[in-house]
Amino acid sequence: DIQMTQSPSSLSASVGDRVTITCQASQDITNYLGWYQQKPGIAPNLLISDSSNLEAGVPSRFSANGSGTDFTFTIASLQPEDIATYYCQQYDNIPLTFGGGTKVEI
Amino acid sequence: QVQLQVSGPGLVKPSDTLSLRCTVSGGSISGYYWTWIRQPAGQGLEWIGRIYSDGSTNSNPALKSRVTMSIDTSMNQLSLSLNSVTAADTAIYYCVRSVATLTKEWGQGALVTVSS
Repeated sequence: DIQMTQSPSSLSASVGDRVTITCQASQDITNYLGWYQQKPGIAPNLLISDSSNLEAGVPSRFSANGSGTDFTFTIASLQPEDIATYYCQQYDNIPLTFGGGTKVEI
Repeated sequence: QVQLQVSGPGLVKPSDTLSLRCTVSGGSISGYYWTWIRQPAGQGLEWIGRIYSDGSTNSNPALKSRVTMSIDTSMNQLSLSLNSVTAADTAIYYCVRSVATLTKEWGQGALVTVSS
C-alpha cells in the first residue's frame, strides 16, 4: 500500500493567514492526488483533484501543487469557514489511501 | 446533483455480518464506479473498495476476505456486506460516486456500531 504522510497533524492560525499543509507519498503517484475538506459531522468534500485542479465552486483562496511524491496544499487567506480537517488522498494505486489529516483551527 | 443515502442497521453484534445499502438518486448508477469508505469516530479515512456498474469490484486487501459488494442497476442501489465484524469495524460508512479512482461525490454516511 502507498503510505501518505501528512503534516502538520494540526495547526492554529489567524483569519487572513496563509496556511500550508504538506503530503508525502511513499512512492511516485504522478499527480493522482486529491485534497478533501471535512467539517465536523459532514462527509468529506473534494476541493482539489489531479494535484492542482480546483473543483467547481471551490473558492480560489484554495490551491495545491506537486507531483511524484511531494505535494502542498495552501489556503491563501484563512477564513472562519475554513475551520475543518483536511485530508490528502492518493488515487494512483488501489487500495486508495489517505493522509492522517490536518485539523485547522483559529 | 446526485444524492447518496446509506441505510442499514446502526448496531451489529460482534462476529455478525454488517450489511449496508446505498440508494442513488438524482443521477444514473450506470457508467460510474461506486466506492465504500469508512471512518471510525475521530479518526481517519479507510478505503474499503469499489464496484463498477457492470458488477466488477476491487477491495482493500486488508478487508478483502470479509467484504462483498453488489450493485442493482434496476433499483439504483448498491450494497456492502462485511462479515465477522469486531469493534474495530465501528465507523461511519460512506458511499461515494467515483470517476475511475477519484472519489468525487460523497453521501452523508451511516454510523454502524459493533457491540453486544
